[in-house]
Amino acid sequence: KNQVEQSPQSLIILEGKNCTLQCNYTVSPFSNLRWYKQDTGRGPVSLTIMTFSENTKSNGRYTATLDADTKQSSLHITASQLSDSASYICVVINNNAGNMLTFGGGTRLMVKP
Amino acid sequence: DGGITQSPKYLFRKEGQNVTLSCEQNLNHDAMYWYRQDPGQGLRLIYYSQIVNDFQKGDIAEGYSVSREKKESFPLTVTSAQKNPTAFYLCASSAAPPNYGYTFGSGTRLTVV
Repeated sequence: KNQVEQSPQSLIILEGKNCTLQCNYTVSPFSNLRWYKQDTGRGPVSLTIMTFSENTKSNGRYTATLDADTKQSSLHITASQLSDSASYICVVINNNAGNMLTFGGGTRLMVKP
Repeated sequence: DGGITQSPKYLFRKEGQNVTLSCEQNLNHDAMYWYRQDPGQGLRLIYYSQIVNDFQKGDIAEGYSVSREKKESFPLTVTSAQKNPTAFYLCASSAAPPNYGYTFGSGTRLTVV
């Protein structure tokens, strides 16, 4: 069964600090992995998209890594800001027809001043 | 601006009523999707449509119905058969192949009163 597990479920950090969110998956066959940011009461917004051959991809203060061998990904947030408070969702896409997205349960990040 | 629009943002339903959630996109995407999001859980697929006049059940289709008469529109009806409809509903669309250009709407929060 295709699964995506994220950890931690929730995280509280102080403004300016760094943090790393984890994503482990068992989706096969793998196509690509995405990290989304979802503000409360809003739809998810894409942060990064990583294919099988990519190890690292950055988007401003967000850096995602992918280890396709161990089926793990991480999202590192540098110099956190209050506006980073949100849920971060890891999504893995496979190449099968039909429903190709498997969602993790998300990590809820709270950045405190 | 191109995008995907969900309405209304908030919706209240009395027990035994059917309600319809609207989803419209002007991205010229072929595929459209409906997800349900409950607190602390990953998004779960209700229905999806990869082409006009065709749609498929997702993982939790019971108590829901959809139509896809136009490429731009994919309304979701929550019927009285759905026993626990209170949730946040997200619509998404994607280009073909479906693992590219995946965009979410801003969501509709449905509450049973």
